[in-house]
Amino acid sequence: AQTVTQSQPEMSVQEAETVTLSCTYDTSESDYYLFWYKQPPSRQMILVIRQEAYKQQNATENRFSVNFQKAAKSFSLKISDSQLGDAAMYFCAYRRYSGGSNYKLTFGKGTLLTVNP
Amino acid sequence: NAGVTQTPKFQVLKTGQSMTLQCAQDMNHEYMSWYRQDPGMGLRLIHYSVGAGITDQGEVPNGYNVSRSTTEDFPLRLLSAAPSQTSVYFCASSGPGGSSYNEQFFGPGTRLTVL
Repeated sequence: AQTVTQSQPEMSVQEAETVTLSCTYDTSESDYYLFWYKQPPSRQMILVIRQEAYKQQNATENRFSVNFQKAAKSFSLKISDSQLGDAAMYFCAYRRYSGGSNYKLTFGKGTLLTVNP
Repeated sequence: NAGVTQTPKFQVLKTGQSMTLQCAQDMNHEYMSWYRQDPGMGLRLIHYSVGAGITDQGEVPNGYNVSRSTTEDFPLRLLSAAPSQTSVYFCASSGPGGSSYNEQFFGPGTRLTVL
């Protein structure tokens, strides 16, 4: 079974600074997807960024980028120029690439990010 | 499109009561699922469905029942509520089958308290 580990229960960053959230995972599969979700106080789950394991290039979405290290099974999220609106719980998630139940997401326990003005 | 809708948003039950959490999507998605979110535990999969008439268990299925009679609806039933089922429940759906990427869309969640 796949597992996802977020070793930082809480992180804080100053506004306009950069912060990196860590995620490691365990899988025996070679093809899969990795995701970062943001959950603000509204509780809504928002997809921030995704990475296909077969792609070597790290995904980027505006101020959000990932450092995907497939051999190390590491998938960190970097938030640049942090804004107050980035304050939220962030979840790392894994999904199989194919197979009958390939839509199932396995989540880490989350990292609560605080942004200080 | 309304996306994924869940009702109710909040619910308080007494131990032993039963209830149904409703989930509907209007995107013609094949895949639907239920997760529960507990503090410090992330989201854990309860049940999922890959199409009408097909359901399967996830990681934490005990105490919950599901059915999928239509593509649009995927209700979650609590058979006899227990305090351990106090949680926030999320429904999610995703598009056509196969191995291509399809984003999962989440509903707004239902906060359930069992006294």
